[in-house]
Amino acid sequence: NAGVMQNPRHLVRRRGQEARLRCSPMKGHSHVYWYRQLPEEGLKFMVYLQKENIIDESGMPKERFSAEFPKEGPSILRIQQVVRGDSAAYFCASSPGASGNTIYFGEGSWLTVV
Amino acid sequence: AQSVTQLGSHVSVSEGALVLLRCNYSSSVPPYLFWYVQYPNQGLQLLLKYTTGATLVKGINGFEAEFKKSETSFHLTKPSAHMSDAAEYFCAVSEVNYGGSQGNLIFGKGTKLSVKP
Repeated sequence: NAGVMQNPRHLVRRRGQEARLRCSPMKGHSHVYWYRQLPEEGLKFMVYLQKENIIDESGMPKERFSAEFPKEGPSILRIQQVVRGDSAAYFCASSPGASGNTIYFGEGSWLTVV
Repeated sequence: AQSVTQLGSHVSVSEGALVLLRCNYSSSVPPYLFWYVQYPNQGLQLLLKYTTGATLVKGINGFEAEFKKSETSFHLTKPSAHMSDAAEYFCAVSEVNYGGSQGNLIFGKGTKLSVKP
């Protein structure tokens, strides 16, 4: 049973470009979460999505960041006009959604903005 | 608001020695508590979690943690460290919301564990 799959694992972008990070949840999981890990920091919650719905985006920066989880296909975290401060590891996690279930993390996508 | 404090950003122990990683939390409601381990350039792996019931929780790789409500603590221990335990450990707390999903976790800043031969 494949785990949470993220790609790309490593992404380099120049300032001003767009970054797209993809996440395929574990089979049977309909809830997806995105977290960001800055250097020397713990993970910070960004957004929680179910299929075609954003449930909680309280951790998303107000500008340039967006996330979606379409009916078909992976969840995508999109960062427009990247800046150096966006350099971080972005982790996706998924859960079945039922009460009490643990969330499972992917291996992360490391974004470097040069 | 919830928060997690991990005392000590770096902990070093000798192989075979006791491992103790400290975590204190604040929460306005009964919390769910977690410990995750992260190896370099990898994702987080769940070590153990406390939801309800027995306050001493056993996890993988010989780790355990005890929920102490009076001390608002959830310290992680392992009786005998192994070289393979060297990694970064994160404590996290969540309140049950979103219909029960635990996905909005509040993480501590992490503790890097080094194990000396």
